[in-house]
Formats: sequence, structure tokens, C-alpha cells
Amino acid sequence: LAKTTQPISMDSYEGQEVNITCSHNNIATNDYITWYQQFPSQGPRFIIQGYKTKVTNEVASLFIPADRKSSTLSLPRVSLSDTAVYYCLVGDVTNSGNTPLVFGKGTRLSVIA
Amino acid sequence: SQTIHQWPATLVQPVGSPLSLECTVEGTSNPNLYWYRQAAGRGLQLLFYSVGIGQISSEVPQNLSASRPQDRQFILSSKKLLLSDSGFYLCAWSVKQAVTTYEQYFGPGTRLTVT
Repeated sequence: LAKTTQPISMDSYEGQEVNITCSHNNIATNDYITWYQQFPSQGPRFIIQGYKTKVTNEVASLFIPADRKSSTLSLPRVSLSDTAVYYCLVGDVTNSGNTPLVFGKGTRLSVIA
Repeated sequence: SQTIHQWPATLVQPVGSPLSLECTVEGTSNPNLYWYRQAAGRGLQLLFYSVGIGQISSEVPQNLSASRPQDRQFILSSKKLLLSDSGFYLCAWSVKQAVTTYEQYFGPGTRLTVT
């Protein structure tokens, strides 16, 4: 699995857009980029996944440049309930059945009223 | 729909005592199963994963062990707990041959405090 680097923590005010960037310089051709969200005392949950360009769902957007060496998770108009730890993971989707996810320390987002 | 159960939700055990945490998955068959641990203020550490009954891969050598006696049952054990075993234990499952989603589904977790 490709190693990822992301900021340890970020602060934001309610209503702002938050962008969390993840570096993955050694990403392989078959690797996808996946983001998870973890609230205190809960297990992580899948937010979004992408391979290139832009992916958007009801929760977030994921921007991936052409070289795929980084990605940015964008959370529009955050609220207090978005306070959580966000993990960036990179791995081969086609082998996901037999390759466990390896989580880093993630980015702790604190949303302030 | 699929659901994953873990119990107990919380546990306080003295140092040197044994441990048994259980995880079961419903609504799917032949899943991959995983045990993670999260120490206070730290990231998730993968402990064990299993691709089938009786098949266990250990990621971190320590005083913990795992077993998979049935297809959808995953058990985490220890003969003698250490203070450093305290943490939040999470079980997860994934589809064996996912096509488009690199996704694991996590249980509610067990908070273990070793005193």
C-alpha cells in the first residue's frame, strides 16, 4: 500500500469549506484513493473514493490531479457534527478483498461555532 | 442488509487476566474479517485479518491472538492482559472480491481498560 501523509489537525468555523490534502507520492497505477471519517468512540466509515479528476457525493468531493500524487477531500459548509478524524488511504481496489486497510493517524478536524 | 456485532461494548479487566472479544457478521457470507486497535489519541493499528475459516494473519506480534471458528465469527483473545492492551478494539469486514469499492465496514467497538 502506498504511504500517505496528511496534516495532523485542522480547525474550521461552521459554514466554511474545509479542504484536507493528502500526499501519496508512490501511488501505483491500480491504486484508488479512499477517505474515511471517524467520530469519537465509533469505527471509521467510508466517505468517498476516486481514481482521478473529481468525484462528488452527498457528503464530500474528492479532487485528484493528473499526476495522482496527492488528493484533496473537500467538505462543503462544515457543521459542528463534522468534527472527526479523517483518514486518507491508497490501495488497489481490485485486491481489496485480500488486502487489509492500513490507517495512518489521520487528520483531526475541529469545527468551531 | 449486513450488520456487524461486537461485544462487550466496554470491559474493565485487571492486568494478567484473560480476554475474549467476539465479533459476528450477519447478512453476508465468506467475508474478510479484521481486528484493529486504537490506543487513546492514536490511529488505528491493524492486529489480525482473516480471509477464511481458520486462516489468520498477524500484523503485530504481541500477547494477543485471533481465531475464526466459523465463517462469520472472529474472536480476539489474550491469556494475560498487559496495561498496554488498553484501547478501543474494532472489528471490521469486507467483501472478498470487491469490484469498485475499497471499503471495510466497522463494528461499534469494544472499549477495553486494563487496570
